[in-house]
Amino acid sequence: DAGITQSPRHKVTETGTPVTLRCHQTENHRYMYWYRQDPGHGLRLIHYSYGVKDTDKGEVSDGYSVSRSKTEDFLLTLESATSSQTSVYFCAISEGRAPTEAFFGQGTRLTVV
Amino acid sequence: DQQVKQNSPSLSVQEGRISILNCDYTNSMFDYFLWYKKYPAEGPTFLISISSIKDKNEDGRFTVFLNKSAKHLSLHIVPSQPGDSAVYFCAASGSISSNTGKLIFGQGTTLQVKP
Repeated sequence: DAGITQSPRHKVTETGTPVTLRCHQTENHRYMYWYRQDPGHGLRLIHYSYGVKDTDKGEVSDGYSVSRSKTEDFLLTLESATSSQTSVYFCAISEGRAPTEAFFGQGTRLTVV
Repeated sequence: DQQVKQNSPSLSVQEGRISILNCDYTNSMFDYFLWYKKYPAEGPTFLISISSIKDKNEDGRFTVFLNKSAKHLSLHIVPSQPGDSAVYFCAASGSISSNTGKLIFGQGTTLQVKP
């Protein structure tokens, strides 16, 4: 299994509070991604990173920010959590140069109440 | 605008029979396609892929077929086993448009294989 660790695995937070999810990899892959999974939508890309300090938006980036200060860590921050951000969040890593598959972490279930 | 679509939310088959999962895409720039399998409370795991230069790729019980003219791909599982019960996601990537490895996913199909 690819070495990807997401933390926390579960979190309940209140509307309006900031939340940070962490993804840690031990594979030294250049590319890291944050996806969210919602019923009827599959997996949607939030943000991705193609190197330290290099990030770009995905298809559902509003309300989210990311940072990557080290190759192994990719942080996803919800600046002010809303109920619509209740979801399961997956981190993935990839060597990047297509065609290649991405490897996923086990997910973080976030509930915003 | 959903670029990758899995129009069947669920599929139920009998153990030992064939499971066929379908996927359609709209972007002709996609040239690499993947299937992922996901069990509850776990992350998706890579199952099989196909490049647009091929029309078939086989790996054991799993075969993926690609019809570029119809922008359609399918995953065949033969024979189906109860352990195959999971959510299957189709995904697409464009190696020409970018080399970031970004994947666009379909909505997923829940497969149930009955003993």
